[in-house]
Amino acid sequence: ELKVEQNPLFLSMQEGKNYTIYCNYSTTSDRLYWYRQDPGKSLESLFVLLSNGAVKQEGRLMASLDTKARLSTLHITAAVHDLSATYFCAVGMGGTYKYIFGTGTRLKVLA
Amino acid sequence: DSGVTQTPKHLITATGQRVTLRCSPRSGDLSVYWYQQSLDQGLQFLIHYYNGEERAKGNILERFSAQQFPDLHSELNLSSLELGDSALYFCASSESRDSLSYEQYFGPGTRLTVT
Repeated sequence: ELKVEQNPLFLSMQEGKNYTIYCNYSTTSDRLYWYRQDPGKSLESLFVLLSNGAVKQEGRLMASLDTKARLSTLHITAAVHDLSATYFCAVGMGGTYKYIFGTGTRLKVLA
Repeated sequence: DSGVTQTPKHLITATGQRVTLRCSPRSGDLSVYWYQQSLDQGLQFLIHYYNGEERAKGNILERFSAQQFPDLHSELNLSSLELGDSALYFCASSESRDSLSYEQYFGPGTRLTVT
């Protein structure tokens, strides 16, 4: 059974600092997604990672995938208040349309 | 705005009742996914349809069913409702080609409260 663990669950950080959110999964997968959710809102797609070593960047966020380690990271550079949200990773079960979501990381960026 | 619409936005109903949630995907998208988000279970994938055909089932209860119609909108039917079914239900759609790799666009969700 595919399990997905995210850590940390909560992250409070100062503006301007860097930090990384980790997403570990238990079995092989062929794709990994990162989403952002603002309080009371829907999910917004951030990144789709499809291969080992894939790295994608958008603004202050950079996501990477290491399929051998079964690990994806979401790195935040020089955080700003607008990045405060909950971030989810989701892992696709290999060869299927099934997805397992991580528990989410609630990020709060303090001014 | 993702282009995915869901109705209703809020729904309050009693235990034992049956409700239908509706989703219209983005124009041209053939894939529709349903998800449930609750405090105790987190985000869970329920079911996926592609061009009217069921492609994958996740943690969907037997009391729940879904379908996708020829005009590509989808409905999620929840019956014999229990208090634990109270949650946010999202649908998402993705691009028209039959592929595992496309990003999903989420609708605003339907908040279901079972009393």
